[in-house]
Amino acid sequence: DAEITQSPRHKITETGRQVTLACHQTWNHNNMFWYRQDLGHGLRLIHYSYGVQDTNKGEVSDGYSVSRSNTEDLPLTLESAASSQTSVYFCASSESGSDSEQFFGPGTRLTVL
Amino acid sequence: KNQVEQSPQSLIILEGKNCTLQCNYTVSPFSNLRWYKQDTGRGPVSLTIMTFSENTKSNGRYTATLDADTKQSSLHITASQLSDSASYICVVSLEYGNKLVFGAGTILRVKS
Repeated sequence: DAEITQSPRHKITETGRQVTLACHQTWNHNNMFWYRQDLGHGLRLIHYSYGVQDTNKGEVSDGYSVSRSNTEDLPLTLESAASSQTSVYFCASSESGSDSEQFFGPGTRLTVL
Repeated sequence: KNQVEQSPQSLIILEGKNCTLQCNYTVSPFSNLRWYKQDTGRGPVSLTIMTFSENTKSNGRYTATLDADTKQSSLHITASQLSDSASYICVVSLEYGNKLVFGAGTILRVKS
């Protein structure tokens, strides 16, 4: 069955370190998204991609970067982790088209000490 | 500003009872509205989707309504089960660009 996976599921790191969160989908979806989820807030869009070599900033992109070298993967990098980036991170993918459902991964819980 | 507000923030009900969750939105241009269910430690999963012209959609014991004039939606859960314990998130899609606006969610706990 097609799926979307994230790794690691849990990560503890220190302030200032570079961290990369992996996202892999086997649906062959063009669109991929990264969100963060914090208590009391809705999911907020960090970065998104509509295809290979395409990346775009979302509403909370500062301190994060992504790259899309193939259809299946969209890794999220925190260049220099900050305590404010402690959060649960969700990757999602969808087919092209504004009405397409986004399918979410299981999430990565990141703690920055 | 595009916003989605949900109420209540949390709710506790007894197994077998019904409940209704509310969603108000100020999103334009509107494309569709989805209700997602998010179990603890998991990603959200879509329950229903409604476009501008639809005012009700059912998925088993879940029934969503949409009033596009007042920009309100509700999710009604009938004969609740323990497995309904989760966060329910209202998500509105903008007409262009795959952009979603998420509510903060309602945390539902079903007690036996």
